Amino acid sequence: GAVVSQHPSRVICKSGTSVKIECRSLDFQATTMFWYRQFPKQSLMLMATSNEGSKATYEQGVEKDKFLINHASLTLSTLTVTSAHPEDSSFYICSLRDRLNTEAFFGQGTRLTVV
Amino acid sequence: GENVEQHPSTLSVQEGDSAVIKCTYSDSASNYFPWYKQELGKRPQLIIDIRSNVGEKKDQRIAVTLNKTAKHFSLHITETQPEDSAVYFCAASKGRSASYDKVIFGPGTSLSVIP
Repeated sequence: GAVVSQHPSRVICKSGTSVKIECRSLDFQATTMFWYRQFPKQSLMLMATSNEGSKATYEQGVEKDKFLINHASLTLSTLTVTSAHPEDSSFYICSLRDRLNTEAFFGQGTRLTVV
Repeated sequence: GENVEQHPSTLSVQEGDSAVIKCTYSDSASNYFPWYKQELGKRPQLIIDIRSNVGEKKDQRIAVTLNKTAKHFSLHITETQPEDSAVYFCAASKGRSASYDKVIFGPGTSLSVIP
């Protein structure tokens, strides 16, 4: 199956700063990647669908100007949390689906703490 | 859009007993139903999946059943072991265009297997 690498695994930032999270597909050309957010003891909530070479599609209630997504190549999608606040502290995880089957593969996740 | 519900939210069983988790979905167009296991702080791992043209699928101690008419699907774990303790998520997706379809997750079930 596809190998997905996400970095950093943990990041602590000051309130008001921006943080960039990278998601790489190591062995598969991913035209589409998905970004999820998971608060403690909660489910994975889809934030947006990242499309290579075009604008991301955001889920209802997700601020596109706050969560900037760039999918400039078939192997890399980035999520930038801009002007981060403590309520943005969460586990962010990317995912992609292999063309050959429908299984979704996940990155390791990024634990973001905003202080 | 798709909405996935899951019950129970927590489940405790004695080692060796069976565990059953039930899910419902809302979008009749969904045709791919994976189940993921997530340990604390880690990425979700696919444990079994089922497509809409199949009513039941089994893999060793794990089985999944699907009732498309009722929009229900269930996970059955037999002979539970302490290492089965984790959070389990059901999910639903439209698999026609496999690379591009988002996966929507249920709220999760925290399973504890008591030795």
